[in-house]
Amino acid sequence: DQQVKQNSPSLSVQEGRISILNCDYTNSMFDYFLWYKKYPAEGPTFLISISSIKDKNEDGRFTVFLNKSAKHLSLHIVPSQPGDSAVYFCAAKRNSGYALNFGKGTSLLVTP
Amino acid sequence: DSGVTQTPKHLITATGQRVTLRCSPRSGDLSVYWYQQSLDQGLQFLIQYYNGEERAKGNILERFSAQQFPDLHSELNLSSLELGDSALYFCASSVGSSVTGELFFGEGSRLTVL
Repeated sequence: DQQVKQNSPSLSVQEGRISILNCDYTNSMFDYFLWYKKYPAEGPTFLISISSIKDKNEDGRFTVFLNKSAKHLSLHIVPSQPGDSAVYFCAAKRNSGYALNFGKGTSLLVTP
Repeated sequence: DSGVTQTPKHLITATGQRVTLRCSPRSGDLSVYWYQQSLDQGLQFLIQYYNGEERAKGNILERFSAQQFPDLHSELNLSSLELGDSALYFCASSVGSSVTGELFFGEGSRLTVL
């Protein structure tokens, strides 16, 4: 039962433009949402997170938006750079839980 | 470098065999998590240990077991291996139970079962 869904397996964006990666979840008990980035032959690395009490969190070029009523979150990367090319995983957890629930990932390609 | 060390990086074995994957968490981290990433699948949570004790269990098969030792390193034991067990196995660590969910992942151990 996939509680975190990333419906776009891949996304291609031109350098300098905005990248928007989407994520949907089904469990209304999730309190924290995170994005991880993964390069080939490396483990996932934490990128940005958002608590369910917020609807936006910004860190440099990365912004995560949360729409709780729609059970949807998105990651915006502005401006996109070739070094952003990686697989991005959306993850969620309950405050009372311990494990992260991951989506299947979206492969982002930023072309020069 | 996340500070989490996993060995071996690659492992090829045959069906029916048993393997052990090893993980050393970041210095000071008490929690260790194991995740499995199969082809076209997201990261599936297997099990978590906190300071030597099992804290949470996910989709871990009965053929799989894990433990965390007094020095906080952890081992994931996979037995009676099947072709479908071929996957990337990630270990992650955090200081505590990680309320905010930020985990630090190792580079993974790629298991191929032939």
